[in-house]
Amino acid sequence: DAKTTQPNSMESNEEEPVHLPCNHSTISGTDYIHWYRQLPSQGPEYVIHGLTSNVNNRMASLAIAEDRKSSTLILHRATLRDAAVYYCILKEGFQKLVFGTGTRLLVSP
Amino acid sequence: NAGVTQTPKFQVLKTGQSMTLQCAQDMNHNSMYWYRQDPGMGLRLIYYSASEGTTDKGEVPNGYNVSRLNKREFSLRLESAAPSQTSVYFCASSELSFGDRELFFGEGSRLTVL
Repeated sequence: DAKTTQPNSMESNEEEPVHLPCNHSTISGTDYIHWYRQLPSQGPEYVIHGLTSNVNNRMASLAIAEDRKSSTLILHRATLRDAAVYYCILKEGFQKLVFGTGTRLLVSP
Repeated sequence: NAGVTQTPKFQVLKTGQSMTLQCAQDMNHNSMYWYRQDPGMGLRLIYYSASEGTTDKGEVPNGYNVSRLNKREFSLRLESAAPSQTSVYFCASSELSFGDRELFFGEGSRLTVL
């Protein structure tokens, strides 16, 4: 299984941008990069995914390195409700998501 | 829309007892999954069903069985519960199990085995 590496935790202030990094040096050409987040006592929630190009949606942006060995999830203006564990996951083609331990994002007022 | 519905939300069992966790989705998705999450850890895949009529083992299948009852429903059975199976269980579904399809998760079922 292709692996991802994320920092255990990060801190941010409310209304500031947040850049959550993820390394995936063993990524294969067909692996999609997915990001999910999990709020306390809830199930994971889809955030965004991409293959090669940068992606934007209403929740976040995903910046993918040219060699695809790393990516960054960007929350443009963090809110208190963004405090969660963020998982960077490689979706292995026709297979399932394999979660790591993620990054716990703390947002201060 | 209900999305992915899991029952029960909470359950306490004694060692050796059996039980079934139920999961249903109303999004007409083909693929369904069962994960478990232990305290302070990420999710680990137990079983998945890429499409109706098929099931496959994930990372941690021992001690569990699954049934894909129909397209909507995917159940997880513990035949003889053990304390090591104390965990939060999440069911998920996706349109297909291809790389570019997002997963939708239920709210979880918290199981304690004494």
